[in-house]
Amino acid sequence: ILNVEQSPQSLHVQEGDSTNFTCSFPSSNFYALHWYRWETAKSPEALFVMTLNGDEKKKGRISATLNTKEGYSYLYIKGSQPEDSATYLCAWGGGGADGLTFGKGTHLIIQP
Amino acid sequence: NAGVMQNPRHLVRRRGQEARLRCSPMKGHSHVYWYRQLPEEGLKFMVYLQKENIIDESGMPKERFSAEFPKEGPSILRIQQVVRGDSAAYFCASSLRVGHEQYFGPGTRLTVT
Repeated sequence: ILNVEQSPQSLHVQEGDSTNFTCSFPSSNFYALHWYRWETAKSPEALFVMTLNGDEKKKGRISATLNTKEGYSYLYIKGSQPEDSATYLCAWGGGGADGLTFGKGTHLIIQP
Repeated sequence: NAGVMQNPRHLVRRRGQEARLRCSPMKGHSHVYWYRQLPEEGLKFMVYLQKENIIDESGMPKERFSAEFPKEGPSILRIQQVVRGDSAAYFCASSLRVGHEQYFGPGTRLTVT
């Protein structure tokens, strides 16, 4: 069974605080790790695709790191804003399949 | 906006009927993926298609489900003789190349009564 685990399941953060959460995935047969942001009633929105061990990507206040040897990725949000409230999904590409294996997401709520 | 289009957005079918879900990928994308989200579950991969070819259907239920992506027109996910357990949100995504970002459509919410 190829599991992608995300923690925590949900997170309440005060506006202006920084936060981070974790995605763990199988380290064997790794191809790529994707992060998505999913707001209620909208489509998942691609944030990052990372392929190399040690990769670090940044988009505005959001950044992500990747460790393929130990099978984890962190997503960081600096100075959280109410519009950051969403579910953040990570998805593992690997194991010989062409589709992505998704985690259940971290539901982030930013409190004003 | 040339994003991924899915229709219908909501579909209600009675047990035993057929459901047809359509997906038009982003302009220029020839790779299409179908995912299903069952209640209280995460997104699960079903099938990956390129134009006129099924590349990976490892996530498709063995019976009643089929998918196609013809040379012309949208990709179709077809569910024959629907049962209550098929009630779910079905999402389509497209990408420019394998391994690249996948862009998701708004989903079709299927309810089987």
